[in-house]
Amino acid sequence: DVKVTQSSRYLVKRTGEKVFLECVQDMDHENMFWYRQDPGLGLRLIYFSYDVKMKEKGDIPEGYSVSREKKERFSLILESASTNQTSMYLCASSDRQGAGTGELFFGEGSRLTVL
Amino acid sequence: GQNIDQPTEMTATEGAIVQINCTYQTSGFNGLFWYQQHAGEAPTFLSYNVLDGLEEKGRFSSFLSRSKGYSYLLLKELQMKDSASYLCAPNNAGNMLTFGGGTRLMVKP
Repeated sequence: DVKVTQSSRYLVKRTGEKVFLECVQDMDHENMFWYRQDPGLGLRLIYFSYDVKMKEKGDIPEGYSVSREKKERFSLILESASTNQTSMYLCASSDRQGAGTGELFFGEGSRLTVL
Repeated sequence: GQNIDQPTEMTATEGAIVQINCTYQTSGFNGLFWYQQHAGEAPTFLSYNVLDGLEEKGRFSSFLSRSKGYSYLLLKELQMKDSASYLCAPNNAGNMLTFGGGTRLMVKP
């Protein structure tokens, strides 16, 4: 069974804390993505990666960074969490560009609350 | 740029048929996805259309018109468990999906 696993389903952090959200996929996918989802705003792309050590900014990268040291793992980092980063964070992966339809496989999501 | 428009909310009755429309504008086009997302859960794949026409899969069908930038998801014989958000996501030429805000469907008895 193919799987995208996010390390934490629920997190509560304080303003200014550093936050790590981890994502691992077992499908040998080249592409990995981080989205956030907020009511009324849909899914918004934060960062994505096409390959190891490669990263590209999405639509809303401000306040976030990412790390892709291994193909199967893509981490989202909030250097100094703020209350407006309270959200549901979804990790996804897909096969490489041009190979397949581009279907995204999602993790279960991490609900982050910043107090 | 990319623009996706779908209704915010819809309500339908158990056993009925509902059609969820989506219009889109993308820079390049490489197919369109529909995802289902139950509250508090991750989106799951429902359908993929790359050619014009209707794709049927059990109670769910999806239609695409590339020239009109239009798709719809048709749900037949609605069940209570179909209450969820439905996300329209065109795939651009770079194999990047962009998501609409989603349509929240409420199925009533």
